[in-house]
Amino acid sequence: EPEVTQTPSHQVTQMGQEVILRCVPISNHLYFYWYRQILGQKVEFLVSFYNNEISEKSEIFDDQFSVERPDGSNFTLKIRSTKLEDSAMYFCASSDPVNTDTQYFGPGTRLTVL
Amino acid sequence: AQTVTQSQPEMSVQEAETVTLSCTYDTSENNYYLFWYKQPPSRQMILVIRQEAYKQQNATENRFSVNFQKAAKSFSLKISDSQLGDTAMYFCASSLYGNKLVFGAGTILRVKS
Repeated sequence: EPEVTQTPSHQVTQMGQEVILRCVPISNHLYFYWYRQILGQKVEFLVSFYNNEISEKSEIFDDQFSVERPDGSNFTLKIRSTKLEDSAMYFCASSDPVNTDTQYFGPGTRLTVL
Repeated sequence: AQTVTQSQPEMSVQEAETVTLSCTYDTSENNYYLFWYKQPPSRQMILVIRQEAYKQQNATENRFSVNFQKAAKSFSLKISDSQLGDTAMYFCASSLYGNKLVFGAGTILRVKS
């Protein structure tokens, strides 16, 4: 069964450094999402992406964040200058062009900012 | 704006018994979707069940079923014949068609042997 994959599973970085989190959505999916979950808290929406552009973003998704689909398979989230409060689990999700309501999640990347 | 509320921070159930997790939501839209996701200790988000708001029939997936009360904006999850592997955090979520998921705060379910 096809699944969403994410790399790395765990990323440790120093405050102020740039990080890129990578996702490979399910191959025929066209809608892509990033969510984050701070430890012990609810899952929060960051951004949605369709047709090579951002379709919606939350107030969390400020100028420090960007997303890109550099090729036909990868979907990346970049944080330009990480802060301590960016430490969280980051989930990528995707949905197919027919059942756009149902999102399938990757296993997540745990980001630790020191 | 959509909101999702889960009022039970933690629940426990004996193996083989039935447990119900509560969820209420608020939306001004008429067409929306509701979901339950399971997050085991691995922190993977696993889709358990989905419900389309325009369908009156409650969704079922094997041991998992929902009680969808549209007028009351209630969407509870019933787990029958609970198994140790059901131990996880359960999130209720809603979305408008093709849009972001809005999650509740989650309920930790512990299945005891």
